Amino acid sequence: QVTLRESGPALVKPTQTLTLTCTFSGFSLSTSGMCVSWIRQPPGKALEWLALIDWDDDKYYSTSLKTRLTISKDTSKNQVVLTMTNMDPVDTATYYCARHTGDTAMAIDYWGQGTLVTVSS
Amino acid sequence: DIQMTQSPSSLSASVGDRVTITCRASQGISNYLAWFQQKPGKAPKSLIYAASSLQSGVPSKFSGSGSGTDFTLTISSLQPEDFATYYCQQYNSYPQLTFGGGTKVEIK
Repeated sequence: QVTLRESGPALVKPTQTLTLTCTFSGFSLSTSGMCVSWIRQPPGKALEWLALIDWDDDKYYSTSLKTRLTISKDTSKNQVVLTMTNMDPVDTATYYCARHTGDTAMAIDYWGQGTLVTVSS
Repeated sequence: DIQMTQSPSSLSASVGDRVTITCRASQGISNYLAWFQQKPGKAPKSLIYAASSLQSGVPSKFSGSGSGTDFTLTISSLQPEDFATYYCQQYNSYPQLTFGGGTKVEIK
């Protein structure tokens, strides 16, 4: 059974750095074809892809946010970590992690429940 | 970046209706398109990948079609549990993924 769960602070101040952790089970990120993405959704708005890390430790970022994002993985802990620097109130959103697999042509098949992050002083 | 445009942005339908949602890509994406369902306060759920393949466990009342720039999601007979917002997403430019703006399906 594949599960993903996001964790991190619910509130951050402007200019601070956000660190989110995705803890997953039911698969290994060292298996060929496995990837994990971070995706966010501001309240009442659409989904926005942020970053992806694959089984080979290749990392990819949204072109509009790449200077602020860092994604990493700890295969032994089954975790993927996203950091976002210089947080602003417009970054207030629910942040999701999601799995991609070659079994579904690299499409997302499973999502975490999401974690709401509010940016406010 | 590839832009994804969904239409309509919202629709009202009755239980039992056949519903079709359209997604258009700003350039050709072959069949690298996925559809997701999201209910209020919940995470998205994956419905379809590769434009027309159902994710495991998704009922056959959902179907997808299209290739290139124009795609559709069809719900054959709308049920109360299907009232939600639906998003398309292209992954032709994987891993640079883009989502459509969403289509909210409401009860008439």
